[in-house]
Amino acid sequence: GDSVTQMEGPVTLSEEAFLTINCTYTATGYPSLFWYVQYPGEGLQLLLKATKADDKGSNKGFEATYRKETTSFHLEKGSVQVSDSAVYFCALSDPMKTSYDKVIFGPGTSLSVIP
Amino acid sequence: GAGVSQSPRYKVAKRGQDVALRCDPISGHVSLFWYQQALGQGPEFLTYFQNEAQLDKSGLPSDRFFAERPEGSVSTLKIQRTQQEDSAVYLCASSTRLAGKRYNEQFFGPGTRLTVL
Repeated sequence: GDSVTQMEGPVTLSEEAFLTINCTYTATGYPSLFWYVQYPGEGLQLLLKATKADDKGSNKGFEATYRKETTSFHLEKGSVQVSDSAVYFCALSDPMKTSYDKVIFGPGTSLSVIP
Repeated sequence: GAGVSQSPRYKVAKRGQDVALRCDPISGHVSLFWYQQALGQGPEFLTYFQNEAQLDKSGLPSDRFFAERPEGSVSTLKIQRTQQEDSAVYLCASSTRLAGKRYNEQFFGPGTRLTVL
């Protein structure tokens, strides 16, 4: 079945450092791809999404590009802040396959940003 | 109005007890999902409702797990005879369901953290 793999954490960066969290997926169809974020003590939130190849999702300075040829959706941010400390989940959904938006999540990557 | 709410936020149960977890979705959302998130893992799909119809329960780990949404709004996830391996955060999410849209964003509740002793 479909699955998502992402780099293991925890990741610790200094403020203003460049962030990359790698994500690759396996899917038999043509899924939409997402990054979700879970801040400490809060619920899961959609950070950004891309629904077709070469689409770039962006939000709050984060970006990820849907690379069909490499089945990847790496998350990047040019300059992280302490407030970006959270757990980040790469995920996919293929509603054309299931007729509804069942989301398959990766295991999550914990990010800590230190001042 | 408000987002997705879940209650209780925390539940401690003795092994063998039955528990019921409640989800109040965003008003008007047709779709409702339950996910299970073990410690240090990503959420895993449990079941899906479209209005009151449970269209997919393939992720429920055993017949001790049962979910319902009788009037197409509030949903309850029930776990009978809880076991230690049931300890996890149970997340509820709801979304609209617009035909032809590639993705209808799911809005997640804060989760219920279940600890089985």
